[in-house]
Amino acid sequence: GQQLNQSPQSMFIQEGEDVSMNCTSSSIFNTWLWYKQDPGEGPVLLIALYKAGELTSNGRLTAQFGITRKDSFLNISASIPSDVGIYFCAGQRGAQKLVFGQGTRLTINP
Amino acid sequence: NAGVTQTPKFRILKIGQSMTLQCAQDMNHNYMYWYRQDPGMGLKLIYYSVGAGITDKGEVPNGYNVSRSTTEDFPLRLELAAPSQTSVYFCASSYSASSYNEQFFGPGTRLTVL
Repeated sequence: GQQLNQSPQSMFIQEGEDVSMNCTSSSIFNTWLWYKQDPGEGPVLLIALYKAGELTSNGRLTAQFGITRKDSFLNISASIPSDVGIYFCAGQRGAQKLVFGQGTRLTINP
Repeated sequence: NAGVTQTPKFRILKIGQSMTLQCAQDMNHNYMYWYRQDPGMGLKLIYYSVGAGITDKGEVPNGYNVSRSTTEDFPLRLELAAPSQTSVYFCASSYSASSYNEQFFGPGTRLTVL
């Protein structure tokens, strides 16, 4: 099946640091989505991107839809303990099913 | 609204046993989905449904069955459990398949097959 490569797989940072993660694909997507999964919970949508080059923010989170439509980036500024969790990217073309990345596990040292 | 609910939260099965994972949503969504999440992997689609009475296979349907007799419920059936089905299972729903309609996920069922 189609694959999304998400990196890094895990991050260990200090509280207050900024975080960057990205997702790449060999195929073009029309939509990029970023989800967060808290321990023991299902994924929750953070940001949706619908246009190449689009830059969208949600509080301390900023995501970008790559200009080639084959990648996307998520940045978290000034991390806090509640940012801990697994972050997933997902790509979609039209009404086709979502394709998920492997996830980035974020751990924050207080 | 309760959103998407799943039962049970945890289950241990012996090889060859069967069970049904329950999923319900109260948002009047047409589309419902079943995913599995293996350690270090993203979510993979097992089955989905576009409305009551209509179901279709996803990326990894082997070993599973689904039914959709009502808009609200979308149970997932494992007939002969195998260790390879040890995973966390998530149910999700959305109003339509369009990317403009968010998929809402349930809390998951953690299944272990021994």
